[in-house]
Amino acid sequence: GAVVSQHPSRVICKSGTSVKIECRSLDFQATTMFWYRQFPKQSLMLMATSNEGSKATYEQGVEKDKFLINHASLTLSTLTVTSAHPEDSSFYICSALPYRGQPQHFGDGTRLSIL
Amino acid sequence: AQKVTQAQTEISVVEKEDVTLDCVYETRDTTYYLFWYKQPPSGELVFLIRRNSFDEQNEISGRYSWNFQKSTSSFNFTITASQVVDSAVYFCALSAEYGNRDDKIIFGKGTRLHILP
Repeated sequence: GAVVSQHPSRVICKSGTSVKIECRSLDFQATTMFWYRQFPKQSLMLMATSNEGSKATYEQGVEKDKFLINHASLTLSTLTVTSAHPEDSSFYICSALPYRGQPQHFGDGTRLSIL
Repeated sequence: AQKVTQAQTEISVVEKEDVTLDCVYETRDTTYYLFWYKQPPSGELVFLIRRNSFDEQNEISGRYSWNFQKSTSSFNFTITASQVVDSAVYFCALSAEYGNRDDKIIFGKGTRLHILP
């Protein structure tokens, strides 16, 4: 079945650091990937839609200069949290859209903790 | 606008009891998909079911069953003979169809299910 790999699974770093999270579709090509964020005991909220070869589409209230998304190939999208602060601590999870008619496949998520 | 409502924030039942998780949705799209996901404490999302808006047949998979009622915009999930391993947060979700493919997923707030031994 379709597999999505997300790396790293956990990051702990100091305030002001930039952190890059990778989302890879391992056995299929994905022109579209989605990035979601989940704060503790809350639901998943869509941050942005990542389209291969074009700019990402951000949801209202998500700072595009803060959360940089790059989808340079059909199997890789990256989310970079720039100058991260404690309020950016969250669970970030990506999903990739495979073939027509197939549902999105989610990565296992990245738990980001900013000290 | 799309919206998913899971009115039950938290449910606790004793093992072997049946439990139903409610889900009500809102959408203006004629074609859409409904989902249920399980999120155990480890955090990953476990896909349970995806249902097309044109398919109102109920579905059963082992101890899990789903009741899709378009007339009431509901997509309820029942676990029969619950087990401790069923303890998790369960999300109901909705996506439109865009160009014969799923669009972004809108999640409900989730129902935290505790199965007590």
